[in-house]
Amino acid sequence: EPEVTQTPSHQVTQMGQEVILRCVPISNHLYFYWYRQILGQKVEFLVSFYNNEISEKSEIFDDQFSVERPDGSNFTLKIRSTKLEDSAMYFCASGRQGQETQYFGPGTRLLVL
Amino acid sequence: AQKVTQAQTEISVVEKEDVTLDCVYETRDTTYYLFWYKQPPSGELVFLIRRNSFDEQNEISGRYSWNFQKSTSSFNFTITASQVVDSAVYFCALRRYGGATNKLIFGTGTLLAVQP
Repeated sequence: EPEVTQTPSHQVTQMGQEVILRCVPISNHLYFYWYRQILGQKVEFLVSFYNNEISEKSEIFDDQFSVERPDGSNFTLKIRSTKLEDSAMYFCASGRQGQETQYFGPGTRLLVL
Repeated sequence: AQKVTQAQTEISVVEKEDVTLDCVYETRDTTYYLFWYKQPPSGELVFLIRRNSFDEQNEISGRYSWNFQKSTSSFNFTITASQVVDSAVYFCALRRYGGATNKLIFGTGTLLAVQP
């Protein structure tokens, strides 16, 4: 059964450094999402992406964040200058259509020191 | 505004007990989707069920069942004869039907601990 995959599974970085989180959505899916979960808290929406552009973003998704689909398979989240409060689990999700179920990847646990 | 409330922060049961996880939602939309996801200790989010607001039929899948009551804005999840492998955090989520947004609004989750 097709799955969303994410790399790396864990990343430790220094405050102020740039990080890129990578995702490979399910192959025939057209809608892509990033969510984050601060330890012990609920899952929060960051951004949705369709047809090579952002379709919606939350207040969390400020100028420090960007997303890209550099090729036909990868979907990336970049944080330009990480802050301590960016430490969280970041989930990528994809859906075949906008109204379809979103399937989540296993997450990347980001720790900013 | 849309909101999902899972008032039960933690539930502990002994194996083979039945357990119900509560989910109450708020939305002004007349049509919407509701979801349950499971987050085991390994951390991934596993999709369990999607329910359309215009389909109030309850659903059963093995030991899992879901009770959707539009009149009380609730979408509760029952595990029958719980097992240790059911131990996880369970999230209820809401999404608009149609329109420009597809984002999921999650509740705060319920940690279920099933003791052997």
